[in-house]
Amino acid sequence: DTAVSQTPKYLVTQMGNDKSIKCEQNLGHDTMYWYKQDSKKFLKIMFSYNNKELIINETVPNRFSPKSPDKAHLNLHINSLELGDSAVYFCASSQESLLAKNIQYFGAGTRLSVL
Amino acid sequence: AQRVTQPEKLLSVFKGAPVELKCNYSYSGSPELFWYVQYSRQRLQLLLRHISRESIKGFTADLNKGETSFHLKKPFAQEEDSAMYYCALSTQGGSEKLVFGKGTKLTVNP
Repeated sequence: DTAVSQTPKYLVTQMGNDKSIKCEQNLGHDTMYWYKQDSKKFLKIMFSYNNKELIINETVPNRFSPKSPDKAHLNLHINSLELGDSAVYFCASSQESLLAKNIQYFGAGTRLSVL
Repeated sequence: AQRVTQPEKLLSVFKGAPVELKCNYSYSGSPELFWYVQYSRQRLQLLLRHISRESIKGFTADLNKGETSFHLKKPFAQEEDSAMYYCALSTQGGSEKLVFGKGTKLTVNP
């Protein structure tokens, strides 16, 4: 009964390929996020969507394109993968209320390895 | 610009010893601070936030605006506290987001 689920858990691919990571939350939250965690465990926000609308885009290369078909899903598509894209990508969600604002619930992560 | 600094990348203590994980922030607005924890092979989860002023798993953290700090403390560390700890700052107004520190890996030795 996972609250925030990401697929796949592991992704190994060649440079230049295009790949997608999917995220779904069953918490009824309004806002979803994508984070990148590099090899040094540094966690940095990439995108945020609120009710299917993009609200944060943190100077991420335009090879990365998030898509939110509905507020329970936020997928991440990456074109022309590069070696530097290798990282763990985390999806998260939160509810827009004064009490719960910015309490984020995280997925288990997707480990992307670009060869 | 918002920034969260966790000066210790690694911290190692013995079981039963006090532990303090340091966090300093830089933000011109009114800050909201959090500690998130990632246990081995588990997902990142909220440990506590400053507005709740509560103790979770024996951990407490006090926001010190004068020193711009939000250090995480526990008087007696347990082996199960071993994990990666992230301090995070929530920005206000418009597109709220969390800015994370680089994390501190805590190891509690038996």
